[in-house]
Amino acid sequence: DTGVSQDPRHKITKRGQNVTFRCDPISEHNRLYWYRQTLGQGPEFLTYFQNEAQLEKSRLLSNRFSAERPKGSFSTLEIQRTEQGDSAMYLCASSGVSGGGTDTQYFGPGTRLTVL
Amino acid sequence: GQSLEQPSEVTAVEGAIVQINCTYQTSGFYGLSWYQQHDGGAPTFLSYNALDGLEETGRFSSFLSRSDSYGYLLLQELQMKDSASYFCAALNQAGTALIFGKGTTLSVSS
Repeated sequence: DTGVSQDPRHKITKRGQNVTFRCDPISEHNRLYWYRQTLGQGPEFLTYFQNEAQLEKSRLLSNRFSAERPKGSFSTLEIQRTEQGDSAMYLCASSGVSGGGTDTQYFGPGTRLTVL
Repeated sequence: GQSLEQPSEVTAVEGAIVQINCTYQTSGFYGLSWYQQHDGGAPTFLSYNALDGLEETGRFSSFLSRSDSYGYLLLQELQMKDSASYFCAALNQAGTALIFGKGTTLSVSS
């Protein structure tokens, strides 16, 4: 399977705990994106990497959130001191090698986070 | 700001044709994308229009009018498996992140 993969698929945690999610993009893709999706809404952009550089962050990405892409391949998204409002589906997407901004973004299956 | 508006729900029967409209307001426009998402699943890319006109991919077609800031997704010969949410999306001004509409839930009945 050469699609975007995410791990874990589901995470249940208690308020105040830290959680970390992993995304493995399509192997030849140099751009990687994190989005958050809540029920009945479209995905909302969180952050974007080109290779290992984090080039853009949304206002939604509070200081409790941090994302890394250390070798320009997989990425992690960490949420510290989780709150109930963080409950959502966290989606990762990647796009292709041409470097153009209009490259199609392909999404992974997401990690569903539930904060109790 | 940037926003995309689409109807919240559409219903149809098997074999019918349905059109899902999308109007947008963006600062800088690179084109309109459409994604399908089944319950609990990932958004799956359907089509992309950079220029005015109709793009056809099998049973699905997508149309764009840049002068009207309007596009639509046309689904023909509807099947039960087409029941899903459909999102229109456009790149932000920087040409990086996608801005999505709230989605249209399509229910296909027999």
